[in-house]
Amino acid sequence: NAGVTQTPKFRVLKTGQSMTLLCAQDMNHEYMYWYRQDPGMGLRLIHYSVGEGTTAKGEVPDGYNVSRLKKQNFLLGLESAAPSQTSVYFCASSYSGGHYTFGSGTRLTVV
Amino acid sequence: DQQVKQNSPSLSVQEGRISILNCDYTNSMFDYFLWYKKYPAEGPTFLISISSIKDKNEDGRFTVFLNKSAKHLSLHIVPSQPGDSAVYFCAAKADTGNQFYFGTGTSLTVIP
Repeated sequence: NAGVTQTPKFRVLKTGQSMTLLCAQDMNHEYMYWYRQDPGMGLRLIHYSVGEGTTAKGEVPDGYNVSRLKKQNFLLGLESAAPSQTSVYFCASSYSGGHYTFGSGTRLTVV
Repeated sequence: DQQVKQNSPSLSVQEGRISILNCDYTNSMFDYFLWYKKYPAEGPTFLISISSIKDKNEDGRFTVFLNKSAKHLSLHIVPSQPGDSAVYFCAAKADTGNQFYFGTGTSLTVIP
């Protein structure tokens, strides 16, 4: 009973490199979300999905892309990493938009 | 602009006493509210919720109060325990919306 699993847990990137963060949930939830947490800023929504094959922009989508090819997976991509994308990234899922179940986070540093 | 605000970044309370964490919101369309608890190096975990048809919801030591006219909610923890030391986030959503908006968090320290 894993819930929401995020990989990797830590990553250091050089400016301009690309990477993909993977989120997987085993609760058959329709909704999935990617948030970033920065000091003094709380949790801010990057992108979300209300079902397989759908994605939508959140509050801070610039510099990120997402895909939801399978219901259980939600991928977050950084095409050309920038130091401003240094953050802790949280994936979450929910059943029809109710309260979220979060993953344990990915700490990303861009140097 | 921050639609959900937690104006106290930190709070210290003696073990056994009451902890009161506050949250204000600006969007009058918000009608469902949550509190999350977060330990270091872990994801936030759901604690308690309240919908706008209620003004109070209780779950064990945790009670959430909602004052719709003031656009204010609070989380009461009684009695506070050292294991309650964590960062607490409030979050709000409109019935027609797809996302929760989160506050910036309050770091609670319960002193043994």
